[in-house]
Amino acid sequence: DSGVTQTPKHLITATGQRVTLRCSPRSGDLSVYWYQQSLDQGLQFLIQYYNGEERAKGNILERFSAQQFPDLHSELNLSSLELGDSALYFCASSAHPGGGGGMGNQPQHFGDGTRLSIL
Amino acid sequence: QKEVEQDPGPLSVPEGAIVSLNCTYSNSAFQYFMWYRQYSRKGPELLMYTYSSGNKEDGRFTAQVDKSSKYISLFIRDSQPSDSATYLCAMTGIIQGAQKLVFGQGTRLTINP
Repeated sequence: DSGVTQTPKHLITATGQRVTLRCSPRSGDLSVYWYQQSLDQGLQFLIQYYNGEERAKGNILERFSAQQFPDLHSELNLSSLELGDSALYFCASSAHPGGGGGMGNQPQHFGDGTRLSIL
Repeated sequence: QKEVEQDPGPLSVPEGAIVSLNCTYSNSAFQYFMWYRQYSRKGPELLMYTYSSGNKEDGRFTAQVDKSSKYISLFIRDSQPSDSATYLCAMTGIIQGAQKLVFGQGTRLTINP
């Protein structure tokens, strides 16, 4: 058990809809990361937050947004959903945001993901 | 050309064999290199992370980085059926003033008893 909790585990919805995925980081971790994993694209980094502030941005679509709350949990909002958004969405956390050469010097602990299916 | 190339496999070897998993990358700005293991229906689990060129060993796992060739490897000695999983390489660096994190496609590995 990584200590990172993601809810819900599965989500089924229709095109055009909006969903919210939730993540609680490991106790004591201040940084949260969101990823999308699909069969054709692999694991794609979306966005990182540290102590409530956006820290780094990856391949996140404008239809997607995220935030980190004062209690450090984070939410990923996906809107105007398309069939291609069907994927596993992972959250990870680390104690600190990582510096120097990037996020790699801070080990990230992953949750078990939310499987999103768009019908 | 993808920034990080990883052979997706699948790779199937007998128990006890030495496994070699590899990734190549194109941007010399990547500085930190990681290997993750992902079991089916689970999130990735960090196995190894390295900064400098050379070898880093942890039990049956050895991570190797060759920055001059832009090539990283993960070796698994005395492979066990429990090592059957997808292995992802990942790397980070400051590129054009921003932190960038990129994963390989993942290699699916099966260890046969």
